[in-house]
Amino acid sequence: EAQVTQNPRYLITVTGKKLTVTCSQNMNHEYMSWYRQDPGLGLRQIYYSMNVEVTDKGDVPEGYKVSRKEKRNFPLILESPSPNQTSLYFCASSRKREAPGELFFGEGSRLTVL
Amino acid sequence: TQLLEQSPQFLSIQEGENLTVYCNSSSVFSSLQWYRQEPGEGPVLLVTVVTGGEVKKLKRLTFQFGDARKDSSLHITAAQPGDTGLYLCAGLNAGNNRKLIWGLGTSLAVNP
Repeated sequence: EAQVTQNPRYLITVTGKKLTVTCSQNMNHEYMSWYRQDPGLGLRQIYYSMNVEVTDKGDVPEGYKVSRKEKRNFPLILESPSPNQTSLYFCASSRKREAPGELFFGEGSRLTVL
Repeated sequence: TQLLEQSPQFLSIQEGENLTVYCNSSSVFSSLQWYRQEPGEGPVLLVTVVTGGEVKKLKRLTFQFGDARKDSSLHITAAQPGDTGLYLCAGLNAGNNRKLIWGLGTSLAVNP
């Protein structure tokens, strides 16, 4: 089954404790992206990647890191989480590289930073 | 800053009613996508419209792209409880094709 898998689905952590949210897709997609979704602010792009070893900042990259060492994986790293990073996070992938077409989303990771 | 404004923000209707939600911008898009997001899940693509004036139908859902490719509408006929969810539109910038511009969504509740 074609899917984007995120882990963990739910996480409560404390300020400053490094964490990684993993994302894996099994569709051989070139393009992958991370979004955060907040009430009243909608979906905002954090980082995206058009290919292995190629990543670029989205609209709200501060406080986040990503890597794309393999085509299928695109982890999101919070080096020192803060309460304003409490949010619902989505990983997405697309077959098209330059102009993302249909985005396939994971089920989301709800993160709470205390 | 490019914006996609969706209206209404919230909509609560009875089963069987018709409804239309709107996605408007002052910018031109090369294409526009509609997604539906159900609680606890990620958005799922419903349709992509590309040509100005284009109309696409998906069962009881009718999507239209404005002639000038600045706006779009989604019309649902005889709404059912299964249509409940957050409807999001996303436009692909005509100038920079790497990013989607997202609306904030219309939250639809269809009551039995």
